[in-house]
Amino acid sequence: DSGVTQTPKHLITATGQRVTLRCSPRSGDLSVYWYQQSLDQGLQFLIQYYNGEERAKGNILERFSAQQFPDLHSELNLSSLELGDSALYFCASSVIGDITDTQYFGPGTRLTVL
Amino acid sequence: SQQGEEDPQALSIQEGENATMNCSYKTSINNLQWYRQNSGRGLVHLILIRSNEREKHSGRLRVTLDTSKKSSSLLITASRAADTASYFCATGGETSGSRLTFGEGTQLTVNP
Repeated sequence: DSGVTQTPKHLITATGQRVTLRCSPRSGDLSVYWYQQSLDQGLQFLIQYYNGEERAKGNILERFSAQQFPDLHSELNLSSLELGDSALYFCASSVIGDITDTQYFGPGTRLTVL
Repeated sequence: SQQGEEDPQALSIQEGENATMNCSYKTSINNLQWYRQNSGRGLVHLILIRSNEREKHSGRLRVTLDTSKKSSSLLITASRAADTASYFCATGGETSGSRLTFGEGTQLTVNP
């Protein structure tokens, strides 16, 4: 158990819908990262937050957005869902969000878009 | 896009044997990390090696890094059935900030 929690574990929804994935980082970690794992794209970095501020952005679609709240939990919002958004979404956290930090991953949320 | 390529894509061995997985990457890095993933579950951090290190050990794990060849290897000694998983290398680049760039992974099967 990494100490990073993600809810829900599974999510099944229809195309065009909007969902919110939630992540709580390890106690003491200030930085949160979101990654997407799909069969065709592998594991891809989406976005990073540090202490409430966006720090880095990857290939995140405009339909996706995220934020980190004052209590440091983070939410990833996915809207206008398409079949191709079906994937495992991971949250990771690290202490200071530095390049030398170890990132600890949560168990993931499996999203299925029908 | 994937930074690294793992080799082999799949590896099947018997319990007690050693398993070696290789990872190559393309750009300059600050560090390289290895993660394990059991059957579509979360990623477990195994080991981090910095660009100025050549070898690192952790229990039955041995990681080497050759920055001149842009490659790393993960050796698991005396493998167990519980080691069956996918293994990924991930690089923290000098120009990519703190994001991790993952390889495609090696699926290791350890047969009892």
